Amino acid sequence: AQSVTQPDIHITVSEGASLELRCNYSYGATPYLFWYVQSPGQGLQLLLKYFSGDTLVQGIKGFEAEFKRSQSSFNLRKPSVHWSDAAEYFCAFTGGGNKLTFGTGTQLKVEL
Amino acid sequence: KAGVTQTPRYLIKTRGQQVTLSCSPISGHRSVSWYQQTPGQGLQFLFEYFSETQRNKGNFPGRFSGRQFSNSRSEMNVSTLELGDSALYLCASSLGAGGNEQFFGPGTRLTVL
Repeated sequence: AQSVTQPDIHITVSEGASLELRCNYSYGATPYLFWYVQSPGQGLQLLLKYFSGDTLVQGIKGFEAEFKRSQSSFNLRKPSVHWSDAAEYFCAFTGGGNKLTFGTGTQLKVEL
Repeated sequence: KAGVTQTPRYLIKTRGQQVTLSCSPISGHRSVSWYQQTPGQGLQFLFEYFSETQRNKGNFPGRFSGRQFSNSRSEMNVSTLELGDSALYLCASSLGAGGNEQFFGPGTRLTVL
């Protein structure tokens, strides 16, 4: 079955520390991969996307993600977290169309 | 360029009623998708419209329907509301039929009493 797994439901990091959010997908081919962020009561904001090419992609707000085909992963990273990064993060993929399949999300808490 | 707008932002209905939600995509975008977000089920795809045609449909009962107009604006309708329909309904717009990033609106929070 096609699916996305985000193993970590909650993550707490200290401000200034590095961050890595995990995402694994199950799909028969190379998917189109996305990371979205959602603040309370808000819609989803696109952080970055991977369609093809360079497996390390840069996004907004200092985030980056690396596509690893051998591990079926697309982990999100940030070298130094800011308090304003506290939010819920969703990994998602499509097979090429517009139907997004989302992971269950990772809630990020930032300690000052 | 204005983002995706959704109206209304909040709605309270009672069981058995019906509701219509509206979504205006980013100017020039022709694809509109709808998602339901609940604490228990997470984000689930409802359907997608492109050039006034439904291209894809998720696993929801027939009480959930939608349409798209010639100006790409979209509406979704839920008839005979159930308590479980309480959710945040998100609309996303995209330039084309696939291979493009999707931009989300702020959502409509529907509460069914």
